[in-house]
Amino acid sequence: DAGVTQSPTHLIKTRGQQVTLRCSPKSGHDTVSWYQQALGQGPQFIFQYYEEEERQRGNFPDRFSGHQFPNYSSELNVNALLLGDSALYLCASSSYSSNQPQHFGDGTRLSIL
Amino acid sequence: AQSVTQPDIHITVSEGASLELRCNYSYGATPYLFWYVQSPGQGLQLLLKYFSGDTLVQGIKGFEAEFKRSQSSFNLRKPSVHWSDAAEYFCAVGVRNTGFQKLVFGTGTRLLVSP
Repeated sequence: DAGVTQSPTHLIKTRGQQVTLRCSPKSGHDTVSWYQQALGQGPQFIFQYYEEEERQRGNFPDRFSGHQFPNYSSELNVNALLLGDSALYLCASSSYSSNQPQHFGDGTRLSIL
Repeated sequence: AQSVTQPDIHITVSEGASLELRCNYSYGATPYLFWYVQSPGQGLQLLLKYFSGDTLVQGIKGFEAEFKRSQSSFNLRKPSVHWSDAAEYFCAVGVRNTGFQKLVFGTGTRLLVSP
């Protein structure tokens, strides 16, 4: 039973570029959440997708956008990258109909030069 | 606003000694509480959760946590620490909104285990 998978593992970009991160949820899960974890900090909620719609959003600018596909997988897009966007981006999946906790992937380490 | 406080940034424990990591939360409704562990370069692994019922919850790897509503606390404990327990530990509260839940995390406690 595959857990949450994220790609790529690492990514290096320069300021001003755009990036797309990908996430496949755990089998049986239909809800995907994205978190940003800066170095030495706890994860911060970015947004959450269910039935291909954004359902909740944290305090992140519009440069951060996302998408969910019919197979429940999801993408996180960040435009006009800033140095401060350097972080570990974590994807978590869960089931809307279940009260069970979110399962996390190993994350994508994004470095901005 | 919802928040989680983990007052200890670092804790060093001798192998075989007991462990307690502190967590305080701020949330107006009945909280859903979690402890996650993160090894270097890895994602988050769920140790245990509290939704309702018995205030002492058991988790994986010999961890337990006690929910104390009067103190707004959810401290994590382990009676005997192993060297493999060295990692970063995060406490989180689940915030529900229109049927959806997001997690609000503390800043984490780094556990160091000395021989």
